[in-house]
Amino acid sequence: DGGITQSPKYLFRKEGQNVTLSCEQNLNHDAMYWYRQDPGQGLRLIYYSQIVNDFQKGDIAEGYSVSREKKESFPLTVTSAQKNPTAFYLCASSGTSGTLDTRYFGPGTRLTVL
Amino acid sequence: QQQVKQSPQSLIVQKGGISIINCAYENTAFDYFPWYQQFPGKGPALLIAIRPDVSEKKEGRFTISFNKSAKQFSLHIMDSQPGDSATYFCAACGFQKLVFGTGTRLLVSP
Repeated sequence: DGGITQSPKYLFRKEGQNVTLSCEQNLNHDAMYWYRQDPGQGLRLIYYSQIVNDFQKGDIAEGYSVSREKKESFPLTVTSAQKNPTAFYLCASSGTSGTLDTRYFGPGTRLTVL
Repeated sequence: QQQVKQSPQSLIVQKGGISIINCAYENTAFDYFPWYQQFPGKGPALLIAIRPDVSEKKEGRFTISFNKSAKQFSLHIMDSQPGDSATYFCAACGFQKLVFGTGTRLLVSP
């Protein structure tokens, strides 16, 4: 079964703690992405990586960090510097066909800060 | 210039009716326009997509209409069913950047 897996599905964090969200894909895609989803705000890009050992900030990178040591994996760390981390986090990967960019999403992780 | 404006924010349609969601963009560099469907607690999934060189694309009950001169595109869901109840996102892609609309929550009443 090809696809994207995210774990855990639900995550609870105390204020001041760092937490890492896992994302793995077996689609052999070079590019991977992290989005944050809040009600009424659509999907906002946090970080993306187009190749192993390289990544770029998206629109809302402050308070987050990533790594891309393997093609299949793109973990996201929500640091204590993120002021409002409670949200639904979505990982995605893309394979391009010509100039088309079809993005495949994982099932998401819902993070709640207590 | 990177925004994609989507409307309405929410929509209630009777079973069997037509659901219409509209999007508008400003950046003419966008060259691919996908629509994503998201069920509660799940990730979005690609539903249908269009290139700007065609004015319409149909897949089953789902149709994208594209107006290049007006920089607008819309999703039509014919014979809407309760199982279509979900959040729909339009998006625009250019230079490997994908910009999403803010989403439309569709409820199809039985």
